[in-house]
This record gives sequence, C-alpha cells and structure tokens, in this order.
Amino acid sequence: DAKTTQPPSMDCAEGRAANLPCNHSTISGNEYVYWYRQIHSQGPQYIIHGLKNNETNEMASLIITEDRKSSTLILPHATLRDTAVYYCIVRGRYNFNKFYFGSGTKLNVKP
Amino acid sequence: EAGVAQSPRYKIIEKRQSVAFWCNPISGHATLYWYQQILGQGPKLLIQFQNNGVVDDSQLPKDRFSAERLKGVDSTLKIQPAKLEDSAVYLCASSSLRDRREDEQFFGPGTRLTVL
Repeated sequence: DAKTTQPPSMDCAEGRAANLPCNHSTISGNEYVYWYRQIHSQGPQYIIHGLKNNETNEMASLIITEDRKSSTLILPHATLRDTAVYYCIVRGRYNFNKFYFGSGTKLNVKP
Repeated sequence: EAGVAQSPRYKIIEKRQSVAFWCNPISGHATLYWYQQILGQGPKLLIQFQNNGVVDDSQLPKDRFSAERLKGVDSTLKIQPAKLEDSAVYLCASSSLRDRREDEQFFGPGTRLTVL
C-alpha cells in the first residue's frame, strides 16, 4: 500500500474552511484515498473516501488531483468540535487490504 | 445501532503480568480488527478476522500476543507476558461486507493499557 505524507499540524479559525493536504505520490491505479479523524480519547471516525473523482458528503469534501498524487480534505465551516487528528490513508478496495495509518495532521480550530 | 463495545476502558498492570481485552463488534459485521496505538502515533493493525478466520496477523507479536474470535462475533486479545513497550491504546474496529459503505471501519473507544 502507498505511503502518505501529511503536515504534522495546522491551525484554522472557527467558521473558516479547513484545507488539509495529503501527498500520496506512489498511489497505484486501484487504490483509494480514505480520510479518518480521531478526536481526543476516541476511536478514529470515517470521514470520506474516493478513487479519482471529487467527493462530497455531509461532513467534508475530498479533492483529488488529476494525477492522483495528492488530495485535499476540506471542512467547509470548521467548528471547535472539528479539532482532531486527521489521517489520510491509501489502500485497495477490499476489506482484506490493510489500512496504514500514518501520524496524521493535528488540526487546531481556534475561536 | 449500537457501536463497537470494548472493555475494560483502562487497565494498569505490572510487566510480566497477563492481560486480556474484549471486543463486541457491531451486530452483523463480519470483519473485526485489532489495532495498537502508541501515544503520538497512528493506529497499527495487529490482526484482522473475517468471521472467525484470521485474514492478516503479520504485525502481531505472536510470542506474547494472541487473539481469537471463536464464534465469529466477539473477540479477545491477550498479552502474556506484558512488556513496558506494550503500553498503548488497543482499538477494536469492525466492518460489514453488506453495507453500501463496506470499506468503512467503525471503531470502539479503545482500552488504554499502562504497563509499569
């Protein structure tokens, strides 16, 4: 499975959009990009995933570059409750494909 | 629906002692995962079950760690004997092959283990 690179931390003002980048330059054609987040003292929580098209759900938007070597998770209106560690993960489609969690990005949403 | 249940939430033991963690996945979820999360790091997969069979245990330290899922439902993870470096949060997750979002793993709250 491909490795990912994320900045260790980012700050965002409450109410503004949070844009979290992820580099996955060695991604292969059948690997998906997943985003999870982990709020302090809780288990990770699924946010969104995609293959090559941009995706949007009630939590966030995922923008994948055309060459698929990087992606951006967008939280459109960050709140204090969005303060968490955000993990970008690349893996194959099926349940037997492993999830490799890196160190993630600590997003600090400030009032 | 009820989430993934884990117990205990916290455990403190001395090195060389034994410890066991229990996980009850979401009802109907065929796949169950155990992760180890050391402070400041992301979760690391230890073992993955599909029903009651092991799919992947390549990162499980088999000299001291064991896990079972005998009836394909709940699971236990055991450490015997524990070492200082086993201090971590042990997370259980489950996923279903039948859900539309079958790739989504649902995580429990974890068990925080401290080895003294």
